[in-house]
Amino acid sequence: GAGVSQSPSNKVTEKGKDVELRCDPISGHTALYWYRQSLGQGLEFLIYFQGNSAPDKSGLPSDRFSAERTGGSVSTLTIQRTQQEDSAVYLCASSLRRGPTDTQYFGPGTRLTVL
Amino acid sequence: EDQVTQSPEALRLQEGESSSLNCSYTVSGLRGLFWYRQDPGKGPEFLFTLYSAGEEKEKERLKATLTKKESFLHITAPKPEDSATYLCAVRRPGTPLVFGKGTRLSVIA
Repeated sequence: GAGVSQSPSNKVTEKGKDVELRCDPISGHTALYWYRQSLGQGLEFLIYFQGNSAPDKSGLPSDRFSAERTGGSVSTLTIQRTQQEDSAVYLCASSLRRGPTDTQYFGPGTRLTVL
Repeated sequence: EDQVTQSPEALRLQEGESSSLNCSYTVSGLRGLFWYRQDPGKGPEFLFTLYSAGEEKEKERLKATLTKKESFLHITAPKPEDSATYLCAVRRPGTPLVFGKGTRLSVIA
């Protein structure tokens, strides 16, 4: 079956603009994660959704970042009033469930450049 | 605080020259150590999960091992197509994955 897909693959925006990044998880996967990968840094956890439970937002760096997941499937990460330090690759991952044995499968990422 | 340190940061090998990548971790109640491969411009690709000290897993030229403090990714007789960044991550109950910064491997023909 299809893997995790993300769109757009690249996004260039001006400082102060809002952006929306989309993630389509693997069909049937109940858990969905967003990570950020900056140049020279490891993957940084942002937010996690599991089924109908309240999302774990503990990794969001500021209140300019938000995410939602509609119908337990597609997720959108929104960054308001973008700053240059938001430039990074934003990765989405999904897993069948959240438990000790869950494996996260990643999408190709969205490269965000804030000018 | 959970920490994952990978070494070396970069490794250059000749084709056929075997070597190992290291992932050191400090986490209480480890629930899994994960290895991923990431090619330029792509998302990480899952390789292995290890759960307990002494466990080993193999896939083609790659073999992952785990102790109580670190994991090794052994690469036997590497080929140029093994060139990539290899990422290590750990998790414990109720937490997201914590990733290291990765090792950039280059295999020269």
